[in-house]
Amino acid sequence: GESVGLHLPTLSVQEGDNSIINCAYSNSASDYFIWYKQESGKGPQFIIDIRSNMDKRQGQRVTVLLNKTVKHLSLQIAATQPGDSAVYFCAETQAPSYGNNRLAFGKGNQVVVIP
Amino acid sequence: DAGITQSPRHKVTETGTPVTLRCHQTENHRYMYWYRQDPGHGLRLIHYSYGVKDTDKGEVSDGYSVSRSKTEDFLLTLESATSSQTSVYFCATMGQGTDTQYFGPGTRLTVL
Repeated sequence: GESVGLHLPTLSVQEGDNSIINCAYSNSASDYFIWYKQESGKGPQFIIDIRSNMDKRQGQRVTVLLNKTVKHLSLQIAATQPGDSAVYFCAETQAPSYGNNRLAFGKGNQVVVIP
Repeated sequence: DAGITQSPRHKVTETGTPVTLRCHQTENHRYMYWYRQDPGHGLRLIHYSYGVKDTDKGEVSDGYSVSRSKTEDFLLTLESATSSQTSVYFCATMGQGTDTQYFGPGTRLTVL
């Protein structure tokens, strides 16, 4: 498959361990955040989102934490599996989007799961 | 996901030729987007549409045009392809009243 980016920060994690992926965002007016997962050769896949009126949101094996004070977002993956190997990137916007309030994307973090 | 398909999935073409990429969605989403993804740059917005026949430019629109004659189809045209347009192109859609964009599988375009 093709690489989605060169020289991306890489997180190597042992299968079964927890992963934490970080994202710093730049726009203090942003109030809606999304995490995407992109496997090699595929399109970005929505994982989880969070709005600024929340600090934490949980999904299936994933948790997103939002710290508005320092403009920081993190994605935690519990019990990492080989299928979690991918590039993960965050996106931010100021809602409501109305289509023209664009998503700003981070460049991504490569997660490599070691069996 | 929003039932998004892109065609073709891979294309090799020569400099100066016209190229049209198609995005088709089945979810009746109002908003549609075209992005390109290049190493070191992440996803960059080319053009977007906020309804049939309603389109606007993104941050890297030079050399590209779009058309949306039906809700379900959004076409991206490179009038005269250049090597700098070699990239992976993604279509995305978003429903009205939501803020989440969903992506298609991508088209890998190589301009020789």
